[in-house]
Amino acid sequence: DAGVIQSPRHEVTEMGQEVTLRCKPISGHDYLFWYRQTMMRGLELLIYFNNNVPIDDSGMPEDRFSAKMPNASFSTLKIQPSEPRDSAVYFCASSPTGTWRYTFGSGTRLTVV
Amino acid sequence: TQLLEQSPQFLSIQEGENLTVYCNSSSVFSSLQWYRQEPGEGPVLLVTVVTGGEVKKLKRLTFQFGDARKDSSLHITAAQPGDTGLYLCAGRFYNQGGKLIFGQGTELSVKP
Repeated sequence: DAGVIQSPRHEVTEMGQEVTLRCKPISGHDYLFWYRQTMMRGLELLIYFNNNVPIDDSGMPEDRFSAKMPNASFSTLKIQPSEPRDSAVYFCASSPTGTWRYTFGSGTRLTVV
Repeated sequence: TQLLEQSPQFLSIQEGENLTVYCNSSSVFSSLQWYRQEPGEGPVLLVTVVTGGEVKKLKRLTFQFGDARKDSSLHITAAQPGDTGLYLCAGRFYNQGGKLIFGQGTELSVKP
């Protein structure tokens, strides 16, 4: 298995632009998570899905952030408009029910200038 | 809101020394995990503990879950430079479904 695949690995954008981060979970995993990592705040859970349905989005910072999971093999995290304070590494992770063996992708390093 | 406190934040030791990292919460964990993260990569799961008092070993790493299931420790024996990295504890809590909350992490540096 190729693991959790995220794209792009790096993204540099200007303030005010729309940014879309992509994630392909491991086949058969029915949970998908989006995390954000910064030096100041560590790893924060933004949102998670179960069977493509958003379960808890209480970690989404504000309305500028949105996430979708149109099918079991693809999810997106969109920021519109982006701001410098959104600069961070964004991780996607997936897990099968029951074992809770979370597998993380390699992350997308986002820089908003 | 459940919070995990991890200590110490930074640890710099010489090869061959032993060390312990701690993870505490005011709430009872339904399960707790330890991860290791290297620069430029995502966290990698090391172990999951579920039962109070449980002890698990992974080569030179020993993981312990507190009896009350509110704390955990990671002990490394005879640390090696290859152990360098960020160690994270993460917990799931009752009635929180799949939500996994992370501690701030311990940045470990093992010098040869």
